[in-house]
Amino acid sequence: EPEVTQTPSHQVTQMGQEVILRCVPISNHLYFYWYRQILGQKVEFLVSFYNNEISEKSEIFDDQFSVERPDGSNFTLKIRSTKLEDSAMYFCASCFGLAGIDEQFFGPGTRLTVL
Amino acid sequence: TQLLEQSPQFLSIQEGENLTVYCNSSSVFSSLQWYRQEPGEGPVLLVTVVTGGEVKKLKRLTFQFGDARKDSSLHITAAQPGDTGLYLCAGDRDDKIIFGKGTRLHILP
Repeated sequence: EPEVTQTPSHQVTQMGQEVILRCVPISNHLYFYWYRQILGQKVEFLVSFYNNEISEKSEIFDDQFSVERPDGSNFTLKIRSTKLEDSAMYFCASCFGLAGIDEQFFGPGTRLTVL
Repeated sequence: TQLLEQSPQFLSIQEGENLTVYCNSSSVFSSLQWYRQEPGEGPVLLVTVVTGGEVKKLKRLTFQFGDARKDSSLHITAAQPGDTGLYLCAGDRDDKIIFGKGTRLHILP
């Protein structure tokens, strides 16, 4: 069964460093998403991406964040200068249609720890 | 402001009992989804409800979308230990998926 994969499963970084979180969505999906979940808190929408551009983003997704689909396969989230409060699980999700209508498939997440 | 409030936050009941958990909002959503999330994993979709008043059944789970499309409930009949987990509701609003904090359900054998 097709699934969304994410690498790495755990990333530890120093404050101020750049990190790139990688996702391989399901191959025929068209909509891509990043969410984060701070430990013990709710899943928070970061950004949605369709047709090679951002379609929606939340207030969390500031200038430190960027997304890219460099090769038609990978979908990446870059955090330019990490802060302690960026420590969280980051989930990638993909969907064939819009997430409110079609099933959104989540990856297993990347646990980001900023020291 | 929390757009989606889930209640209760925690629920621990005996195997075989019935239970209902709620997802409430003052906002209208195009659709509401229920997910189940296991520790260390991403949420897995259980159901999407789109039409006000809609009821969907998934074996022992019954999902209802409020008539005004602002709230939803999940009812589990004859709960089993395998139902233990975190149940999340999420609403589609302006193409953003907004999650509630979840109800952590524990079924005692």
